[in-house]
Amino acid sequence: DTEVTQTPKHLVMGMTNKKSLKCEQHMGHRAMYWYKQKAKKPPELMFVYSYEKLSINESVPSRFSPECPNSSLLNLHLHALQPEDSALYLCASSHGDRGGGNTEAFFGQGTRLTVV
Amino acid sequence: AQSVTQLGSHVSVSEGALVLLRCNYSSSVPPYLFWYVQYPNQGLQLLLKYTSAATLVKGINGFEAEFKKSETSFHLTKPSAHMSDAAEYFCAVPERGTGRRALTFGSGTRLQVQP
Repeated sequence: DTEVTQTPKHLVMGMTNKKSLKCEQHMGHRAMYWYKQKAKKPPELMFVYSYEKLSINESVPSRFSPECPNSSLLNLHLHALQPEDSALYLCASSHGDRGGGNTEAFFGQGTRLTVV
Repeated sequence: AQSVTQLGSHVSVSEGALVLLRCNYSSSVPPYLFWYVQYPNQGLQLLLKYTSAATLVKGINGFEAEFKKSETSFHLTKPSAHMSDAAEYFCAVPERGTGRRALTFGSGTRLQVQP
């Protein structure tokens, strides 16, 4: 199984809503990531979890809150978003070598988020 | 810090023509280099990866890339384009020295295939 599964595929939410994006992988990967991708741009790193610990936060606004309940699951909790937060949100996982190396990342299909 | 540069934000070829998408890496030789493809409204799919085991790397869908240290390049090629190859292509390199286990992406190249 080389899949990273993201739900939902599409999400429309108002600026006062609270919603969550979910990501799951069963490849035994110990590093999981959230990326944000705007149209015609490369993915931008938001969060990295390594061995279920948040190891980097790219100065992402607090209205985005990640959670890693276990080594297979990754959530992104959304609250009070702005229209400019509309984007494709991608989850990825990789082996996350403790030695600092990095093999390839496997990406989910993404959640297309629209904030109205 | 490691980075990659993709020359040409748009490349248009005719069906059956050679595809050449350019990627140059900066600074020291990276341990890994990747090419990803993204079809509309989808996630990124790994096309191929360089791991220093071989300079010519074959990937999926008939794509290959050659690592050239003298040119700091890792260009992606396909001998004969197919309509289904129309997509966005990203070159990527692992970050080094930051303690992060994340990828740095190039700006992307959109490939159009004309009938």
